[in-house]
Formats: sequence, structure tokens, C-alpha cells
Amino acid sequence: DSGVTQTPKHLITATGQRVTLRCSPRSGDLSVYWYQQSLDQGLQFLIQYYNGEERAKGNILERFSAQQFPDLHSELNLSSLELGDSALYFCASSVDVMNTGELFFGEGSRLTVL
Amino acid sequence: AQSVTQLGSHVSVSEGALVLLRCNYSSSVPPYLFWYVQYPNQGLQLLLKYTSAATLVKGINGFEAEFKKSETSFHLTKPSAHMSDAAEYFCAVSDQYTGRRALTFGSGTRLQVQP
Repeated sequence: DSGVTQTPKHLITATGQRVTLRCSPRSGDLSVYWYQQSLDQGLQFLIQYYNGEERAKGNILERFSAQQFPDLHSELNLSSLELGDSALYFCASSVDVMNTGELFFGEGSRLTVL
Repeated sequence: AQSVTQLGSHVSVSEGALVLLRCNYSSSVPPYLFWYVQYPNQGLQLLLKYTSAATLVKGINGFEAEFKKSETSFHLTKPSAHMSDAAEYFCAVSDQYTGRRALTFGSGTRLQVQP
């Protein structure tokens, strides 16, 4: 158990819909990262937050947004969903912003868009 | 920008045989390098990391990796494979200088261990 909690574990929805994925980082970790894992794209970094502020942006689509709340949990919002958004979405956390250490990953939220 | 390339999307070994998973990196500055493992239906877990200290890095479950600057490689090895090593392995790189905080992962290598 990494200490990172993601909900929901599985989500099935239709094209055009909007979903929210939630992540609670390990106790004491200030950085939260979102990754997308799909068969064709592999593991893609989406976005990072540190203590409520956006710190780095990766290959995140404009239809996607994220935020980190004062209690440090984070949400990833995916809107106008397309079939290609079907993937496993991971949240990871780390204690610092420099990422010289270890990322702790949750078990992921599997999104299926029909 | 830094990147990693993993050679071989699938590797199959017999139980007790040597495990060698290949990773080459591309970075304009000295990188931090990592190996992560993903077991079925689980998140990624850190196996080991190189952060410019010793070039031979030992990790969990008997795995080790050697940083070779001249070959821009960071291959993962284990002397004797166990059935429980069957998983997907990811090499990752982090640039310690430019402020890009997140890890960039390779495409992964699925390790199969035959009895």
C-alpha cells in the first residue's frame, strides 16, 4: 500500500460526458502528479501541483484540468470525453517539489469511454 | 528534453536465469534515473534510483542497475529470476537542473518468467 488513494477505481461513461477523478496523496506529501497510461501512448505526464500551485505541465489536453485543494487532495477533471480518453489515470505524490526522490503511485482510475 | 528508450517491449526468461532489461537515456545534463515496477492491477513502485552518487545502484528484490555515462545506459539486472518478478518494468528520467519536476517514463518492458 503506497498510501496514495484514488477514486473511483473504475468508471464507465459515454462520449461527450465529464468526469472527475480524485486523489489523496500520502500523508505529508505536498506534490501531486497525474499520469495517463494507455496502450498506444504509454505513461504520459499530465500535470503536477505542489502545495496547491501548478508546478509543471505535460501533455495535458485543454479539455482536461486539475487542481489541488488546501487539504492537498487533488482532482483531475476530464470533459467532452472522447473514445481515445479511455485509459488508466494514475496519481502519484512526493514529499518535495524537486523530485530527487521517489514517487508514490496510487492504484489508478480506469476510465472507459463508450 | 530528456528521454529514455527501453529496448524490447517483452522479455522472457526461465526461472533462475539472468534478467537484463535495457534502458538508454538522452539528456543534455546529468540526469537522475529510476527503475519502477508495475505488477498487474497495481500502481508503479520504485525499484531503485541513480542520483549521481555510486554508479552501481542496488534496489529492492535483488535488482541492481549500473549507470554508464559513456554508453548513456542504465540497464536493470537480476542474477536469478523468480516467478514473482513477472511484471512490467519502466525506466524513467528526471532532469535535476531545468526545473522540470516530473519523471519521463520509457515505454516499458514486460518481463515474463517461465517455470
